[in-house]
Amino acid sequence: GDSVTQMEGPVTLSEEACLTINCTYTATGYPSLFWYVQYPGEGLQLLLKATKADDKGSNKGFEATYRKETTSFHLEKGSVQVSDSAVYFCALSEGTGNQFYFGTGTSLTVIP
Amino acid sequence: NAGVTQTPKFRVLKTGQSMTLLCAQDMNHEYMYWYRQDPGMGLRLIHYSVGEGTTAKGEVPDGYNVSRLKKQNFLLGLESAAPSQTSVYFCASSSYSSGNYEQYFGPGTRLTVT
Repeated sequence: GDSVTQMEGPVTLSEEACLTINCTYTATGYPSLFWYVQYPGEGLQLLLKATKADDKGSNKGFEATYRKETTSFHLEKGSVQVSDSAVYFCALSEGTGNQFYFGTGTSLTVIP
Repeated sequence: NAGVTQTPKFRVLKTGQSMTLLCAQDMNHEYMYWYRQDPGMGLRLIHYSVGEGTTAKGEVPDGYNVSRLKKQNFLLGLESAAPSQTSVYFCASSSYSSGNYEQYFGPGTRLTVT
């Protein structure tokens, strides 16, 4: 069945450091891929998405490229800020979109 | 446009008590979902609905029931609460008409069962 595996945390970085959070997926068809972010005490918010191979999603300085050959959708940011501290979830949706499959989440803490 | 709202925000129950969590969305979305979030487990789907009057089981449906009598509302019920149901519950909705299936989440309900 479909599944998402993402890098275990927690991750602690200094401000302005580079970030990569790995995400790989297993799917039977051609899924859409998403990164969601959850700030403390809040629900999940969509950060970026890609709907087909080689698409790059980007938002707020974050980027992720849909790589079909490696079944990956790694999240990257060149220079993190304290305000980026949150939990990040990789997810996929396939077919009619009835169900999403979420990774376990990666907690990021950015220290000044 | 409030998006997805959940009621209540917090609740403490004793084992065996019952309660209903309410989710409402004002985006005219067809799909609605209930998830639970536990440390180290990510989000797990409890039940979902693809339209008014229809519901389906997700990954962890045992101990929960749902109803979708109106398109904008999705209720999650616990008939006899157990400590294992202590969790944060999130409701979400999405629309297949856009073709993107992005899910919009509510702020969550923190439930403690003692």
